[in-house]
Amino acid sequence: AQSVTQLDSHVSVSEGTPVLLRCNYSSSYSPSLFWYVQHPNKGLQLLLKYTSAATLVKGINGFEAEFKKSETSFHLTKPSAHMSDAAEYFCVVSDPGGTSYGKLTFGQGTILTVHP
Amino acid sequence: NAGVMQNPRHLVRRRGQEARLRCSPMKGHSHVYWYRQLPEEGLKFMVYLQKENIIDESGMPKERFSAEFPKEGPSILRIQQVVRGDSAAYFCASSPPPAETDGYTFGSGTRLTVV
Repeated sequence: AQSVTQLDSHVSVSEGTPVLLRCNYSSSYSPSLFWYVQHPNKGLQLLLKYTSAATLVKGINGFEAEFKKSETSFHLTKPSAHMSDAAEYFCVVSDPGGTSYGKLTFGQGTILTVHP
Repeated sequence: NAGVMQNPRHLVRRRGQEARLRCSPMKGHSHVYWYRQLPEEGLKFMVYLQKENIIDESGMPKERFSAEFPKEGPSILRIQQVVRGDSAAYFCASSPPPAETDGYTFGSGTRLTVV
């Protein structure tokens, strides 16, 4: 079985300061990991994905994430927050090798607030 | 390429009515997934379909909910005799085969309100 834990339900930063959104996962196999962003009343947009290639993954809008197998973590970072980054972020795991082939498991989400 | 199209965007139903949600996958995608997002919660998997086949319906409620993905036309999520607790955002995602390494493209969702 696979699971995802987002360690913070809310994160608040000032514009121009770094962003860190934490995610830990549990998976029986080599997982694929994703970060999605959801702006209010909008759909989900893929920020980045890890699929067993480079452990440091670069995504859109300056976001990146590092896969650390020893820590079972996949934290999302950005060096400098922008007001437009305010949204809800979901860490997602897909476990292709197990019985949950093709099924995504979402974390509870982290709401990012950016202050001027 | 129009992406994953869901309609309607908003749907209001009275208790006891039926709700039909439609999802047209991206061109070339033959795998469709439905997820439900309850207020202030993350998305929960409901069902995974390929053309004319239900692959995994482990997240579907046992009663009143059904899904199909016919050979022609969109995937349909049907909720019969809706109740207040069915109010949620329902998202559809699609992917090409093989599904395990590609990103999943989501639609903008259907927001169902039961009154």
